[in-house]
Amino acid sequence: TQLLEQSPQFLSIQEGENLTVYCNSSSVFSSLQWYRQEPGEGPVLLVTVVTGGEVKKLKRLTFQFGDARKDSSLHITAAQPGDTGLYLCAGPMNSGYSTLTFGKGTMLLVSP
Amino acid sequence: DAGVIQSPRHEVTEMGQEVTLRCKPISGHDYLFWYRQTMMRGLELLIYFNNNVPIDDSGMPEDRFSAKMPNASFSTLKIQPSEPRDSAVYFCASSFEGSSYNEQFFGPGTRLTVL
Repeated sequence: TQLLEQSPQFLSIQEGENLTVYCNSSSVFSSLQWYRQEPGEGPVLLVTVVTGGEVKKLKRLTFQFGDARKDSSLHITAAQPGDTGLYLCAGPMNSGYSTLTFGKGTMLLVSP
Repeated sequence: DAGVIQSPRHEVTEMGQEVTLRCKPISGHDYLFWYRQTMMRGLELLIYFNNNVPIDDSGMPEDRFSAKMPNASFSTLKIQPSEPRDSAVYFCASSFEGSSYNEQFFGPGTRLTVL
């Protein structure tokens, strides 16, 4: 059973468009992380959200943690080809230090 | 600072052969994780170490898989004998206990193809 469900699985858009991808769970998480994985590379951490309702911005990327801490979204404004990659959300399995569970990711392709 | 280093980057082998994947974590990190990534199953945790000690290997698919961490700066994942269904990208990641939210730092991965 996948604890974190991501949607859509695949998204192909033109440069300049806006988009939102989602990460949902039936479980409450103390925090959620978003990673981006470029082709041929490992995932790289973008942001960690820790408070219900929290919004964090990273240039054109806006991350939101749901009020109930069961979901998160990533919104990209004016997407660029450099945004192409696999976007993964991840959360700790238990309180305290523990392993992470990852969603299967959203593959984003931004065409010029 | 050097990130997590993995070798080789690509490995092509024939069914039945032994495969050894290598990882050097970030200096000072005390956790090391081995993952496998496939299209069907996504990123799966195979095993992780804390201070060189294996903590949880419940994700290791079969006895054909084994992992060691002889010291703080080196770990190996071995598959013997390899099978075509082992074809995947294998990632090593490291983190440190002082991190607030278990952030992990990934290597570039080893793409394994078993023919």
